[in-house]
Amino acid sequence: AQSVSQHNHHVILSEAASLELGCNYSYGGTVNLFWYVQYPGQHLQLLLKYFSGDPLVKGIKGFEAEFIKSKFSFNLRKPSVQWSDTAEYFCAVNAQRNAGNMLTFGGGTRLMVKP
Amino acid sequence: DTGVSQDPRHKITKRGQNVTFRCDPISEHNRLYWYRQTLGQGPEFLTYFQNEAQLEKSRLLSDRFSAERPKGSFSTLEIQRTEQGDSAMYLCASSLDESSYNEQFFGPGTRLTVL
Repeated sequence: AQSVSQHNHHVILSEAASLELGCNYSYGGTVNLFWYVQYPGQHLQLLLKYFSGDPLVKGIKGFEAEFIKSKFSFNLRKPSVQWSDTAEYFCAVNAQRNAGNMLTFGGGTRLMVKP
Repeated sequence: DTGVSQDPRHKITKRGQNVTFRCDPISEHNRLYWYRQTLGQGPEFLTYFQNEAQLEKSRLLSDRFSAERPKGSFSTLEIQRTEQGDSAMYLCASSLDESSYNEQFFGPGTRLTVL
């Protein structure tokens, strides 16, 4: 079974600071990788996803993530955060061989951006 | 709004009571998932449907839990004889088909509090 760990539970940044949120997964096979975001009072939304090809994936709102297969990592980055990026961020994987495609989520990182 | 909807958004019940939640997926989506999210954790998979067929259940889904999707459209999740440990956010998600590349769209969730 796969598992996902997110190293930082809480991150506080000032506006314009750079962001990197760590995500590592544990699974021996091929996986699809996702970052979801949950803004205050809203439902989970997909930020970006990786299936194959270029390991550097660009998502919405200036976010990007890099898949490093040798490190089983899929870290999320943004060069300059805004107050509106305050949210909880979840890394998730599903195994390509699994017919159910259910997602396995990390514990989430709560980001607070100070204006 | 053509997204995933869930009803009710909040439910407070006493221990031992039965509760039922409803999920309406995006209309053309034939995959429907239920997840549970407890405080400070990421969502955890409970079960999923392909059309009306329930194809997999997590070990988290005890005998007190039952889910249905009778006509392949909306789904219900029932918890019998609720316990305080059932307190959580119950999330529903849908996706277009069985491809692992398809994004899962999440609803706003039903927050259950068992007193």
